[in-house]
Amino acid sequence: EAQVTQNPRYLITVTGKKLTVTCSQNMNHEYMSWYRQDPGLGLRQIYYSMNVEVTDKGDVPEGYKVSRKEKRNFPLILESPSPNQTSLYFCASTQGEGGYSTDTQYFGPGTRLTVL
Amino acid sequence: TQLLEQSPQFLSIQEGENLTVYCNSSSVFSSLQWYRQEPGEGPVLLVTVVTGGEVKKLKRLTFQFGDARKDSSLHITAAQPGDTGLYLCAGQDSGGYQKVTFGIGTKLQVIP
Repeated sequence: EAQVTQNPRYLITVTGKKLTVTCSQNMNHEYMSWYRQDPGLGLRQIYYSMNVEVTDKGDVPEGYKVSRKEKRNFPLILESPSPNQTSLYFCASTQGEGGYSTDTQYFGPGTRLTVL
Repeated sequence: TQLLEQSPQFLSIQEGENLTVYCNSSSVFSSLQWYRQEPGEGPVLLVTVVTGGEVKKLKRLTFQFGDARKDSSLHITAAQPGDTGLYLCAGQDSGGYQKVTFGIGTKLQVIP
């Protein structure tokens, strides 16, 4: 079954404690993205990756890091989480062929993060 | 940063009524997508529109992309309780690649 998986689904942590949210897709997609979803602000893109070792900033990259060492995995790293990073996070992947892509973007189930 | 304004943000209607959700921007998008999101789940793609003036239909849902590729609308005919959910529009940056901007969303409730 084609899917995007995220772990953990729920996480409560404290300010400053480094954490990683994993994302994996089994569709051999080139493009992957991370979003955060907040009430009144909608979904905002944090980082995206066009292929292995190729990443770029989205609209709200501050406080986040990503890596793309393998095609299937795109972890989101919070080196020093702060309360304003409390949010619902989604990973997504798209096939694409480079440049413009109108292919389906598949979203993971989401990770609800609370930073105390 | 390109912005997508979505309206209305909340909509509560009776089963059988028609409704239209709008997605507007001052920027041109290379493509625009509509998603539906259920509570506790990620968004699921409904349709992608690419060509200015394009109209696509998905059963009772009709999607239209503006001629200038700056706006779009979603029209639902004879809404059903199963249509309840959060509807999101998303535009892809005309500069290419995968930079995507989402609207805030329209929360639709269809009352039986």
